[in-house]
Amino acid sequence: DAGVTQSPTHLIKTRGQQVTLRCSPKSGHDTVSWYQQALGQGPQFIFQYYEEEERQRGNFPDRFSGHQFPNYSSELNVNALLLGDSALYLCASDSTSRGRSSDTQYFGPGTRLTVL
Amino acid sequence: ELKVEQNPLFLSMQEGKNYTIYCNYSTTSDRLYWYRQDPGKSLESLFVLLSNGAVKQEGRLMASLDTKARLSTLHITAAVHDLSATYFCTEVGRASGSRLTFGEGTQLTVNP
Repeated sequence: DAGVTQSPTHLIKTRGQQVTLRCSPKSGHDTVSWYQQALGQGPQFIFQYYEEEERQRGNFPDRFSGHQFPNYSSELNVNALLLGDSALYLCASDSTSRGRSSDTQYFGPGTRLTVL
Repeated sequence: ELKVEQNPLFLSMQEGKNYTIYCNYSTTSDRLYWYRQDPGKSLESLFVLLSNGAVKQEGRLMASLDTKARLSTLHITAAVHDLSATYFCTEVGRASGSRLTFGEGTQLTVNP
């Protein structure tokens, strides 16, 4: 049973560029959340997708956008990259049944983004 | 706004010793989780606590939840070097779906 997978593992970009990160949820899961973790900090919630729609959003600017596909996989897009966007980006998945999420979120290995 | 506070933030202890990490959260929480993170790695789920008085144990780690005090604890018994990692407490508020709010984490170092 494959867990949550993310690609790429590492990425180096320059300021002003755009980046797309990808996530495939754990088998049986339909809900994907994205988190940003700066060095030495706890993860911060970016947004969550369910049924191909953004269900919740954290305090992140519109430069951060996402998408969920019919197969439940998801993309995180960041435009006009800033130095401060350098972080570990984590994807987590769980399942939503009758409007309520399952007990545990499973995290992927993360994508390390470095902005120069 | 949900807020999670852990203490201590840094903990250095000797092998064989016991210690407790404390997690205070700000609102009526639906669920409380503990995760472990090794340097440069992702988050590994340790415990899910779903109700007041819940206690779960796995090996040398035991987690408990007191919803009235809005407090969860992670107790380490007879620490070993392999437990060195950062431990995060995180809650899910009743109106937050499955959105997780993390504390700053407790960086644990177990010295031989």
